[in-house]
Amino acid sequence: EVHLLESGGDLAQPGGSLRLSCTASAFTFRNYAMSWVRQAPGKGLEWISTIYIGGITTYYADSVKGRFIITRDDSKSTLFLQMNRLRAEDTAIYYCAKDHIPLDGDYTCDYWGQGTLVTVSS
Amino acid sequence: DIVMTQSPLSLSVTPGESASISCRSSQSLLHNNGFYSLAWFLQRPGQSPQLLISLASSRASGVPDRFSGSGSGTDFTLKISRVEAEDVGVYYCMQALQAPVTFGGGTKVEIK
Repeated sequence: EVHLLESGGDLAQPGGSLRLSCTASAFTFRNYAMSWVRQAPGKGLEWISTIYIGGITTYYADSVKGRFIITRDDSKSTLFLQMNRLRAEDTAIYYCAKDHIPLDGDYTCDYWGQGTLVTVSS
Repeated sequence: DIVMTQSPLSLSVTPGESASISCRSSQSLLHNNGFYSLAWFLQRPGQSPQLLISLASSRASGVPDRFSGSGSGTDFTLKISRVEAEDVGVYYCMQALQAPVTFGGGTKVEIK
């Protein structure tokens, strides 16, 4: 069974940094695009970023562009999100998710982790 | 950016009856592969989102056939036949045509 386990969520101060990790198992991680999606308390889903196979091609939402960096370590089946210059509005549950189509991908995610909570507050 | 608009905001359904949720995009979601890049998700209370439908009408693995997706161009519909108690939650549509990926605002489904 595919499993995605996020970690790294914590309380951070505005302007601070956090690094989220997502460890994947039970599928060939290197063959799939991976994404981060967040959900602010009581709100809807917001796509944040996608990284394609090989780790070269990445996309970001405007709300995080220039502040967040998505990377992957295929040797460890792990996805990362480096979050810098954090703002109060970044407070959310952060989900990592796996694309449903191998290789090319199309942003549609068929497996999601349980999420990790990031709280940005002074 | 492609704007996704869902309706209604909420729905109260009697078990065994059917329910439909509408999703409209601000531009056509037709991909050059001939498929529509529209997905539906269900987020049950306290859980992560679950993929129900991809490519507008393709049911994800393990999803009951009570769920069906249809539509073309900019107008799409998720139909739930014979609603069950486990169908409670918030339903989201999502366009996967281009970045930034965008979601609809969600439709909350409750059981009467």
